[in-house]
Amino acid sequence: EAQVTQNPRYLITVTGKKLTVTCSQNMNHEYMSWYRQDPGLGLRQIYYSMNVEVTDKGDVPEGYKVSRKEKRNFPLILESPSPNQTSLYFCASSLRIGGRASYNEQFFGPGTRLTVL
Amino acid sequence: AQSVTQLGSHVSVSEGALVLLRCNYSSSVPPYLFWYVQYPNQGLQLLLKYTSAATLVKGINGFEAEFKKSETSFHLTKPSAHMSDAAEYFCAVRSPPKTSYDKVIFGPGTSLSVIP
Repeated sequence: EAQVTQNPRYLITVTGKKLTVTCSQNMNHEYMSWYRQDPGLGLRQIYYSMNVEVTDKGDVPEGYKVSRKEKRNFPLILESPSPNQTSLYFCASSLRIGGRASYNEQFFGPGTRLTVL
Repeated sequence: AQSVTQLGSHVSVSEGALVLLRCNYSSSVPPYLFWYVQYPNQGLQLLLKYTSAATLVKGINGFEAEFKKSETSFHLTKPSAHMSDAAEYFCAVRSPPKTSYDKVIFGPGTSLSVIP
């Protein structure tokens, strides 16, 4: 089954304790992205990756890191989480054709609900 | 810079009534436009997309949207609402071709309630 998986699905942590949220897709997609969803704000893009070893900032990258060492995986790292990073996080992936992913739909993971105390 | 607005954070319609969810975008060139739906406690799934082919786009579950360049709009409609349509709906734009980046901008979302 084609899918995007995220782990963990739920996480409660404390301020300053480093954490990693994993994302994996089995569709051989080049493009992967992380979003956070907050009430009234919709989804905001944190980071995206157009291919292995190629990453770029979205609109809200502060306080986050990513890496893309393998095509299928795109982990999100919070080096020192703070309460304002409490949110629902989604990973997504899509194809790139002709060097562009723009016209392709994204496939979303089930989400990770993070609470930082 | 690109942006997306969705008029009405919450829309209520009666079962069987017309559904109209509004989306307006701001972009220097026509972007690619998408509507996604999010059911409670789930991820997002694609309803339909506009990629500069036909301006009237048909999607899943009877939804359609019309791209109007002059109005910079991409409103979502469905002739007859069903109870199962109750969900959160998001309009999104992706970077147009010939740009050096490939960002995605989502609108704030519209929560649709269907009244029996």
